[in-house]
Order: sequence, then C-alpha cells, then structure tokens
Amino acid sequence: SQTIHQWPATLVQPVGSPLSLECTVEGTSNPNLYWYRQAAGRGLQLLFYSVGIGQISSEVPQNLSASRPQDRQFILSSKKLLLSDSGFYLCAWRAGTALSGANVLTFGAGSRLTVL
Amino acid sequence: AQSVTQLDSQVPVFEEAPVELRCNYSSSVSVYLFWYVQYPNQGLQLLLKYLSGSTLVKGINGFEAEFNKSQTSFHLRKPSVHISDTAEYFCAVSGTSYGKLTFGQGTILTVHP
Repeated sequence: SQTIHQWPATLVQPVGSPLSLECTVEGTSNPNLYWYRQAAGRGLQLLFYSVGIGQISSEVPQNLSASRPQDRQFILSSKKLLLSDSGFYLCAWRAGTALSGANVLTFGAGSRLTVL
Repeated sequence: AQSVTQLDSQVPVFEEAPVELRCNYSSSVSVYLFWYVQYPNQGLQLLLKYLSGSTLVKGINGFEAEFNKSQTSFHLRKPSVHISDTAEYFCAVSGTSYGKLTFGQGTILTVHP
C-alpha cells in the first residue's frame, strides 16, 4: 500500500533562516506531488505541484521554492524565512494518470512551521 | 478557473442532531468534487467523492453528499452526528488537468453534548 511521509512535524525558525521540508511517497511510481499551505482561517492554498522529476509548477508568487530530485521525493525550501511563512504545510500525492483529477489526493500528516 | 465557496465558517450542533455543511462551486469545465475532514493538527482525510453517475454519494463515518449540477452545489449531510465528528471539513473541486484540487475555506463543525 502507499504511504506518504513528511518531516519535520514541527519546526520553529527565526526570521531570515533557511527552510527545508521533505516529503516522500512509498508504494507508487510517477505520482503527481503537491505542496499546500494552511494558514489560520485561510483554508488550503496550493503552492507547488509536480508531475515528474525536475518538473515544478508554482501557483503563487512567494518566498518559497520546491524541488523534486527523485520520483517520490518533494522538497519545499526557502533561503530566508519571513514571518508570513508561518503555517501548516501539507504534502499530498495522487496517481499521475491522464485524468488525474479523478484520482484521490492523499495527504501527509503535515509540518507546522512557526517563524519568530 | 475554479472556485469553491463554503457558506458557513462554523456550524455548532448538538449530538445526535442532523447536520448539513454547504458547498457551492464554479467552473467552466466538468469537475470532480470531494469532501475532506481534518482533525486538529492532522492532515486531511477523504470523506467522499463525486466523479460521475449517481448524484448521491455515500462516504465514511455515515456522511453523504448530493451533487446538484443546476445549483452548482455539493452539500454534505449526516443524519445524526457524534462528538467524534467535531473537526474541520473542506469541500474541494478538481478538473482533469494535472489533478489540481481547489479547496473551500473550510467549515468547523462543533458537536456539543
């Protein structure tokens, strides 16, 4: 069966420090991968998605970047964190077929980032 | 472009009462519709989905939703709620392209004893 892992689960970082959040998926190949951010009272915002190694699409301009160095690994990064980067970051995957929209999106447990 | 509106940010209800969480969407193409539940400090878990066919879909934990194309709605219902249903619920819509999911703002359901 497929599983998705995110780490770290909780992170407290000072403003201006770098960030790296990792997400890995097991039990599937060539998944579509997604990073969402959940800020208090603002629902879920899609930040990045990837349909293959090295292929990253950004949904909103921001201080963050994403990379997909391996088929089942998705990394969210920042060189210098801002206070506004605080939030709950969720990685998700779904089977990458021609009609991907019909496939269920499965989420990781999330990483809570607090920037002070 | 797609959008989702969840009409209620918070819904308080007493245990064993029925509940309806409302969701409306807009899209220029055919869509797939989903409801997810999020318990505190956890990821999202799928409750149910509408892809095609019967407009009434049943999900886990006794929840069901009805797709109404003319009203562009996908309301979530449960005939009798439990304390354990207290959580945040998200309605979401997806087109066919890359499977990007657009979420509503969420509805916090609080079940009181």
